[in-house]
Amino acid sequence: GQQLNQSPQSMFIQEGEDVSMNCTSSSIFNTWLWYKQDPGEGPVLLIALYKAGELTSNGRLTAQFGITRKDSFLNISASIPSDVGIYFCAGSTSYNTDKLIFGTGTRLQVFP
Amino acid sequence: DTGVSQDPRHKITKRGQNVTFRCDPISEHNRLYWYRQTLGQGPEFLTYFQNEAQLEKSRLLSDRFSAERPKGSFSTLEIQRTEQGDSAMYLCASSLLGQGYTDTQYFGPGTRLTVL
Repeated sequence: GQQLNQSPQSMFIQEGEDVSMNCTSSSIFNTWLWYKQDPGEGPVLLIALYKAGELTSNGRLTAQFGITRKDSFLNISASIPSDVGIYFCAGSTSYNTDKLIFGTGTRLQVFP
Repeated sequence: DTGVSQDPRHKITKRGQNVTFRCDPISEHNRLYWYRQTLGQGPEFLTYFQNEAQLEKSRLLSDRFSAERPKGSFSTLEIQRTEQGDSAMYLCASSLLGQGYTDTQYFGPGTRLTVL
């Protein structure tokens, strides 16, 4: 099935560092979402974006809906050990989320 | 806990057997989705319901798969004559579509299926 291009595939960083990851699509999306998934669990919603150019924060997390509608970015500031996990972007071509298309995931490892 | 719940969390079965999974959405959510996730990949859409109506099915949903949401609340996903390729995490999500709501999907913990 179709998946979004997400990069980097994995990141190994030291506690306290900032993290950036992005997601690109060949199609225009009208909704972008970022989820975090721990092993053996379902994805947990971090941030939802509904307008091109929108910049939204959730604590140390900031995400942006790209102006071209074909990309989105997630930044994590001052990383901590509990940030470890797999981060997925997801998008929908409709204004209601209905069928979400997910990215390939970014695996984040934080070392003390 | 008022989140999405799924049962069972783990299922091991032999090839050829039938299995059924249950999903209970967040109370009052009118949309319910099923996704499948294989190791190292993101979730892939299978099907979704608005109330009791099944509105879309992915090509991934072969004839051996059937999903129902008879009363517009919980849903079941049945796989008949399981194959080893069906081994995956089956995720359920729900959302509230309506005026003033953004239809954001919230996921359950998933059911891990292993077909031997």
